[in-house]
Amino acid sequence: EAGVTQFPSHSVIEKGQTVTLRCDPISGHDNLYWYRRVMGKEIKFLLHFVKESKQDESGMPNNRFLAERTGGTYSTLKVQPAELEDSGVYFCASSQYLTSSGANVLTFGAGSRLTVL
Amino acid sequence: AQRVTQPEKLLSVFKGAPVELKCNYSYSGSPELFWYVQYSRQRLQLLLRHISRESIKGFTADLNKGETSFHLKIQFAQEEDSAMYYCADGKLIFGQGTELSVKP
Repeated sequence: EAGVTQFPSHSVIEKGQTVTLRCDPISGHDNLYWYRRVMGKEIKFLLHFVKESKQDESGMPNNRFLAERTGGTYSTLKVQPAELEDSGVYFCASSQYLTSSGANVLTFGAGSRLTVL
Repeated sequence: AQRVTQPEKLLSVFKGAPVELKCNYSYSGSPELFWYVQYSRQRLQLLLRHISRESIKGFTADLNKGETSFHLKIQFAQEEDSAMYYCADGKLIFGQGTELSVKP
């Protein structure tokens, strides 16, 4: 079974440019999450899709970030225009089931490292 | 508001020593809590979850509702346990992470 796949693994762009990150979840996983790690360590929640719908996008930092999940399959996260503070590692994770209490067990992708110069 | 807190950014211990990585949560009820780990050059992965009451490779974590804690304990730390450890709640909000360094 293929895991969660993210593209690109590393992207270097200049401030003001646009970058699109892609995540292919495990087939059949309805739940898809985006996170980012900034300042090296802390992992911040961005948003959660259930199939093609945004279940929770409370972590999206501002309107320069746009996430989509066409047809409930792969997802893209676009940053336009990119700023220096957007640099970090963007993680995607997917989950098939919710537990009885509504929690998820996540399978993570390797992450996409974004460097904005 | 932050729901899961890991107060220690870095822990350094010697091989064979016990270690406890702290995690506190800040809401009431019956939370579901997880520990995730990221070893060097590997993906973030689930280590254990409290609802399973499981112990994996010498790692244990007990939910303490009185102290609102879910600390991760390693009985005898090994060099290969060196990694970033994240506590997370059922809404998949992660703590700040604790870097564990086990020295020979």
